[in-house]
Amino acid sequence: GAGVSQSPRYKVAKRGQDVALRCDPISGHVSLFWYQQALGQGPEFLTYFQNEAQLDKSGLPSDRFFAERPEGSVSTLKIQRTQQEDSAVYLCASSDGGGTGNEQFFGPGTRLTVL
Amino acid sequence: QQPVQSPQAVILREGEDAVINCSSSKALYSVHWYRQKHGEAPVFLMILLKGGEQKGHDKISASFNEKKQQSSLYLTASQLSYSGTYFCGTEGATGGFKTIFGAGTRLFVKA
Repeated sequence: GAGVSQSPRYKVAKRGQDVALRCDPISGHVSLFWYQQALGQGPEFLTYFQNEAQLDKSGLPSDRFFAERPEGSVSTLKIQRTQQEDSAVYLCASSDGGGTGNEQFFGPGTRLTVL
Repeated sequence: QQPVQSPQAVILREGEDAVINCSSSKALYSVHWYRQKHGEAPVFLMILLKGGEQKGHDKISASFNEKKQQSSLYLTASQLSYSGTYFCGTEGATGGFKTIFGAGTRLFVKA
């Protein structure tokens, strides 16, 4: 079956541009996570959705970062006025359970490069 | 808050065993283990929950010491395909929805 998909796979932005990253979770999965992964580091939590509700956004680094999941399926991570420090791989993961203690299925990520 | 993984890197010959450790300073509800190959998505290996429940692949074994907030991943009879970076992720016992990942252990298996 289809796994988690993300688009675009690669994005190059000039500093100051806005970008939108898309995540298509596995159909029926309740939970959706966004992570930021810097080179050589582990994924760093950004935000968590349970269906359409954003229950935890404590990892978003600034108010330039915004995520939504309006219908409880596809999610978009938007970064406004991109900065060079935003360059990273952005991973999306979904799981079929709500809350904690569930296997997360990761997408291939979007590699964002800010020039 | 980030769990500490050790060792940072390990090189094995095919067929050798390895143990990867993960330690947290917080009380934990669960520990996740994932493997990531270069340029690919992390792949689930195992979850260990407070209370003793485990979910994972049959060929993977791990332990979770709730009192010490420590977990270990045991890789036996390593194969070339085991090469990659292993991450532990922890969920706190006090609620919330974060999984906090360690910096990773880089494993290289050579023939």
